[in-house]
Amino acid sequence: NAGVTQTPKFQVLKTGQSMTLQCAQDMNHNSMYWYRQDPGMGLRLIYYSASEGTTDKGEVPNGYNVSRLNKREFSLRLESAAPSQTSVYFCASTELIAKNIQYFGAGTRLSVL
Amino acid sequence: GESVGLHLPTLSVQEGDNSIINCAYSNSASDYFIWYKQESGKGPQFIIDIRSNMDKRQGQRVTVLLNKTVKHLSLQIAATQPGDSAVYFCADATGANNLFFGTGTRLTVIP
Repeated sequence: NAGVTQTPKFQVLKTGQSMTLQCAQDMNHNSMYWYRQDPGMGLRLIYYSASEGTTDKGEVPNGYNVSRLNKREFSLRLESAAPSQTSVYFCASTELIAKNIQYFGAGTRLSVL
Repeated sequence: GESVGLHLPTLSVQEGDNSIINCAYSNSASDYFIWYKQESGKGPQFIIDIRSNMDKRQGQRVTVLLNKTVKHLSLQIAATQPGDSAVYFCADATGANNLFFGTGTRLTVIP
């Protein structure tokens, strides 16, 4: 049972390039999340999907878009990467959106030059 | 706004000693908390959770205490081992769509 799988693990982009971070979970969870983690800080929510077919903005959504492709997959897209988006990105999932344990992937380390 | 914070950014303990990591929160309506462990290069890993109808909850070598009066919780790790070295986060999971993470405490276990 893999849990939450993120690809790629590492990525280097030039300013202005675009890319999509992939996330898949095999726990049949309804809700999925994208966070970013910057040095010395906790995780900040970018976007979330309470259930298949819905997405909503979190605390720091600017510069990002998401797609809940199906129940298993939730992708994060950077249309025009900026150095301020250099961070570690984590995907998480939970069975139900409220007051449940979120399970995290291993992260994608992104550098924007 | 809501905030969750840890008291100390770093903590060093001798192997075999007990560790105590503290966390304070600001929202008196918060009623569900989760402790996560994050090892270098990995995602946060669930350790233990506690709801506001409890003051204490125990797991394997870990205990979480919740003091709602002063809005404080702590994670106690018994007989700390080198494998416990990591960053520990408390998260307020009361909200329907988010976890509010503190900034984390880096625990270093000295052999």
